[in-house]
Amino acid sequence: GEQVEQLPSSLIVQEGASVLINCSYTDSASVYFPWYKQEPGKRLQFIIDIRSNMERKQNQRLTLLFDKKTKHLSLHITATQPGDSAIYFCSAISNYAQGLTFGLGTRVSVFP
Amino acid sequence: GPKVLQIPSHQIIDMGQMVTLNCDPVSNHLYFYWYKQILGQQMEFLVNFYNGKVMEKSKLFKDQFSVERPDGSYFTLKIQPTALEDSAVYFCASSLALTGGHSDYTFGSGTRLLVI
Repeated sequence: GEQVEQLPSSLIVQEGASVLINCSYTDSASVYFPWYKQEPGKRLQFIIDIRSNMERKQNQRLTLLFDKKTKHLSLHITATQPGDSAIYFCSAISNYAQGLTFGLGTRVSVFP
Repeated sequence: GPKVLQIPSHQIIDMGQMVTLNCDPVSNHLYFYWYKQILGQQMEFLVNFYNGKVMEKSKLFKDQFSVERPDGSYFTLKIQPTALEDSAVYFCASSLALTGGHSDYTFGSGTRLLVI
């Protein structure tokens, strides 16, 4: 079945810096890749997604890049704020699967 | 925005006993899911439920697990009997669409289950 890996597992940045989170998957049938953010003690929150027929998607300070050939995604967060501190999860799903496959998450800590 | 509510937030139970985890999905959503996350590991899909039936279950969905949505209210996950390895956080989710439109895929805050 599908496997999703995320790197790094954690990172610490100063407010205003940029962050890059890498995600790779194994199942070439995966077609949709939503990303979620989980702040401490709170629920998973959808932040951005991309489909396999796209290469790039931007939502304010978030930019998501997708490379179908290498089965790789990267999430770029610019001008980070302390409120961006959370665990970020990459996930993938194919048209035949019913559930999302998640990565282990990347813990981002932004210090003022 | 709309929320998925999970009750209880924490549960401690003796091994071998039965436990029911409750989920109140988003009101107009049609698909319901349970995910399991063991501490330090990734969240893993357990089961998907639609129109009163299980659509798909993963290998983690053991025979001791069952799901239902009686009278269209709570979507429940029952474990009977519980085992030590069932200790995890269980996340419920709901969505309007099945695949492709996961921006409406809404997660609950999770129920932390500890089997002792």
